Amino acid sequence: ILNVEQSPQSLHVQEGDSTNFTCSFPSSNFYALHWYRWETAKSPEALFVMTLNGDEKKKGRISATLNTKEGYSYLYIKGSQPEDSATYLCAFISNFGNEKLTFGTGTRLTIIP
Amino acid sequence: DAGITQSPRYKITETGRQVTLMCHQTWSHSYMFWYRQDLGHGLRLIYYSAAADITDKGEVPDGYVVSRSKTENFPLTLESATRSQTSVYFCASRDGLAGIYEQYFGPGTRLTVT
Repeated sequence: ILNVEQSPQSLHVQEGDSTNFTCSFPSSNFYALHWYRWETAKSPEALFVMTLNGDEKKKGRISATLNTKEGYSYLYIKGSQPEDSATYLCAFISNFGNEKLTFGTGTRLTIIP
Repeated sequence: DAGITQSPRYKITETGRQVTLMCHQTWSHSYMFWYRQDLGHGLRLIYYSAAADITDKGEVPDGYVVSRSKTENFPLTLESATRSQTSVYFCASRDGLAGIYEQYFGPGTRLTVT
């Protein structure tokens, strides 16, 4: 079983502040990493698909970086807004069984107006 | 409508009954997946399919059966439901390799086994 950890488990951030959280994954046999945003009572929606060490992806105020050698990815949110409140999931894909995603348990972000 | 749909959205069944959860996607994506969402475990893969008539086990396959006779449908059957199978079930699909393509999730089916 692959160990994919996300920290912190939950986070409260004042509106307008920037924040970041971490996804840790096995540094060996890396194939890809996905980030998903999951709003309450909805289904997860993809943010980023990342494959290369040093990759940096950006979508609006949200960005992500990837370090495959040390086995971590950071997700950054700049100038948090109430609509950013959601659970953010990362999913690791290994070279062995590269069809399957192994999800972390997520970081639950709450933006305080 | 285009997209990925699941039915039913809510289901209550009794222990020992067989129940089938349906998943349908209109994109002709090659890959389809079934996950269950449990507190403390996040999303865990039950079964997946790389194409019609090709299925494989995920992390928690025991007690479940899948089939995929058509590309667009991927039903999940609980052969004899148990209380531990009470969960929210998500179907997902993907167009190809995980290194390139993101997954799209259905709205979920909340299953309660009494």
